Formats: sequence, C-alpha cells, structure tokens
Amino acid sequence: QVQLVQSGAEVKKPGSSVKVSCKASGGTFSSYTISWVRQAPGQGLEWMGRIIPILGIANYAQKFQGRVTITADKSTSTAYMELSSLRSEDTAVYYCARVKGAGSSWYDYWGQGTLVTVSS
Amino acid sequence: SYVLTQPPSVSVAPGQTARITCGGNNIGSKSVHWYQQKPGQAPVLVVYDDSDRPSGIPERFSGSNSGNTATLTISRVEAGDEADYYCQVWDSSSDHFWVFGGGTKLTVL
Repeated sequence: QVQLVQSGAEVKKPGSSVKVSCKASGGTFSSYTISWVRQAPGQGLEWMGRIIPILGIANYAQKFQGRVTITADKSTSTAYMELSSLRSEDTAVYYCARVKGAGSSWYDYWGQGTLVTVSS
Repeated sequence: SYVLTQPPSVSVAPGQTARITCGGNNIGSKSVHWYQQKPGQAPVLVVYDDSDRPSGIPERFSGSNSGNTATLTISRVEAGDEADYYCQVWDSSSDHFWVFGGGTKLTVL
C-alpha cells in the first residue's frame, strides 16, 4: 500500500519561497512519477508539474515556469515542490499524487495536502 | 489547451441516480478518470479509464465516455456520496498534461 505523507502547513510573506515535501512509502519510489496539484480556496484542481525520479526529469505547467522547481531524493523516497516569488494568489492546498497508467494516466494515491498561506 | 466542462452542481434525492457530465472536444477518444473530494480531504479516485473502478469503490459508481461527453453515474445515491467530483484526462498536446474539469458539487437532498 502506497502512502504519501506531506509536510505541514506554512505561512509565508509575499515575495518569499516555500518548499513542500512528499515522503513516499510502499512500492518502489524511483519507478513512480509524482505530480504536484494545487487547489485554491473554493476552487478546482490545477496541475503544476511532475517529476520522474528514476530519470530526474521534471516538467512544469507553463503558468508556473520559472517559479516552480520539483525535485526528488531517491535515497529518502521524498519529492519536493518549491514555489518562489509567492503572491496572495498562491494561497492554496498543495497535493502530491502518484501517477498510474501509461499513456493516459491518472492519480491513484494522493498526499494529505499542505496548506500554504501567503499573507503580509 | 484542452478544456473539460462540468456542471457546477447536481442535486439528487437519496436512492436515486446521479449523472455528472464532463464535456470536451472529442473526449470519447481519450480515457477519462473521475475523483471524489469531500471537504477538507484529498481527492479519491473512483473511476479510471472511462469505466473501471479501483479496489474498494462500490459498484454503484460507473462511468461511460462517447463523443464529446463523459459521464459518471452514481446509482442508489447515499448521503455519504455528497462531495465534489472532478473529471480528468491526460493530454500530451496540452500545456497541462493532466487536465481537470472544474468540478461538480453533488448535493444529496
């Protein structure tokens, strides 16, 4: 049984950065693809990017290009999402999720979510 | 980029059937996946590849996909089914590889 456990809630000032972790257990981490999805208050789900740990390759949604960095540490089975130049609109719950399926893929396991609040 | 359109809300009485649609250009050519999200919780996969159910998801949840519309059907609706439901596809030509619909709030009357 795969489990994804995320780091705790954060409160950040505008202009600063936040780094959220996602520790995986069960399965083989390096064979996963991990995505990051965010959800602003009262809003829907928005894909931010993904990483393939075994290849060390990350892809990002254009909206977040230049502001987001997704990394993975295979030794600790942990993925990270760092978002910089934070603004109030970045206030959201950030989820990591494991990708399942080849070609048309979906998310079979999700982290519990990390609330990031951006406020002066 | 690819756009998925869902109705903002659907209401149904307990024991009845709820149908939640997800519209997209020729969506029938893609595989559609559905998630249930209850307040304060992470999404949970309820249907994948149009109509398959993960282990532990009741048979009351089913899906179909054809033409420009995919549908999540929940039979014999229970109070515990009240939640937001999101459809999702993977689109390699889209900037957002994983595309979500805007979500539908299912209210059990």
